[in-house]
Amino acid sequence: DAKTTQPNSMESNEEEPVHLPCNHSTISGTDYIHWYRQLPSQGPEYVIHGLTSNVNNRMASLAIAEDRKSSTLILHRATLRDAAVYYCILLQGGSEKLVFGKGTKLTVNP
Amino acid sequence: EAGVAQSPRYKIIEKRQSVAFWCNPISGHATLYWYQQILGQGPKLLIQFQNNGVVDDSQLPKDRFSAERLKGVDSTLKIQPAKLEDSAVYLCASSFLGGARSYEQYFGPGTRLTVT
Repeated sequence: DAKTTQPNSMESNEEEPVHLPCNHSTISGTDYIHWYRQLPSQGPEYVIHGLTSNVNNRMASLAIAEDRKSSTLILHRATLRDAAVYYCILLQGGSEKLVFGKGTKLTVNP
Repeated sequence: EAGVAQSPRYKIIEKRQSVAFWCNPISGHATLYWYQQILGQGPKLLIQFQNNGVVDDSQLPKDRFSAERLKGVDSTLKIQPAKLEDSAVYLCASSFLGGARSYEQYFGPGTRLTVT
């Protein structure tokens, strides 16, 4: 399983943008970049995913580097409810097996 | 749409006892997963079902853990006998089989197991 590297923790202020980085230097051409997050005392929830192009949805944006060796999850306006552990996961096309690392714990200050 | 249901939410047992967890996936989801999440770590896949059949159980400690999914809907995960290192949150997830969103897994709230 391809490996990702994320900072252990990050801090942000409420209503400010947050950029969560993820390095995946050994990504292969068929690996999709998925992001999940886990709120306290809850199971993980899907956030967004992409292959090559940047992606936007109602929760976040995903910016993928041109060489695909890194990506950034962007929360445009952090709220207290966004405080969670964010996981960056590589998923081979057609595969369903999520391999979670330790993720980035995001703290949002009021 | 109802989410993934799990019970119980919390369980405390002594080592060497047995315990069972129950999961009811989202209606229509053919694929069901059980994960183990130890404190401070990300979830680890234990077993994946597709309808009634097992797709992947490579990380399931089969000497003490067992799981079944009768009739392709509800699932039960059992530990017998439990060890101290089994203390963790056990998460159930489900997803569609095939289709445009088969990649998206929906997780339940988990069962927190404490083995003393």
